[in-house]
Amino acid sequence: GAVVSQHPSWVICKSGTSVKIECRSLDFQATTMFWYRQFPKQSLMLMATSNEGSKATYEQGVEKDKFLINHASLTLSTLTVTSAHPEDSSFYICSASPQSYEQYFGPGTRLTVT
Amino acid sequence: AQSVTQPDIHITVSEGASLELRCNYSYGATPYLFWYVQSPGQGLQLLLKYFSGDTLVQGIKGFEAEFKRSQSSFNLRKPSVHWSDAAEYFCAVGASTDKLIFGTGTRLQVFP
Repeated sequence: GAVVSQHPSWVICKSGTSVKIECRSLDFQATTMFWYRQFPKQSLMLMATSNEGSKATYEQGVEKDKFLINHASLTLSTLTVTSAHPEDSSFYICSASPQSYEQYFGPGTRLTVT
Repeated sequence: AQSVTQPDIHITVSEGASLELRCNYSYGATPYLFWYVQSPGQGLQLLLKYFSGDTLVQGIKGFEAEFKRSQSSFNLRKPSVHWSDAAEYFCAVGASTDKLIFGTGTRLQVFP
């Protein structure tokens, strides 16, 4: 149980284009989903917290206009990297939370911007 | 402010040896504490968690951790390491608003 999927698992895009990453909780409902970014050999950095049906809460320093988050249902959240640039290349991980402090992580999405 | 420190960046052990990964936290109230494991290119898998009660917590894959309030520690242990345990291990503390604050991770290498 408590399976979270991410799609795509890896994506290569050209600079200036936008990329959408999906995060789905497959066997439970998640009132809250989290988006993290992880640089090579580093820890996870929380980007934003999203609650179903409301606007995401972004961490300090994260550009909300660049990283658009939508949490349309209790099982789906999307992260759109708009006008991507090479510095946005990273490993993006989502987690879904059915209740407080219970987070189940997706397998991650490797984004490479050329 | 809440924080988590994992003092060891990289640990190498022989297969079959015992393991202890250190984690220290800073939090004003009773913390919610977690250990996660991450294999290369993968997401995180929860090994165990501590919310309250018995300070010795059993997890999956033969891991356990002990909460010591006096030392602000939540060290992860395993009596006999298997080659498949090689991975990155993250300690985390539950902060306000349901967020998790992660440590910088410890990379475990296992030699045969």
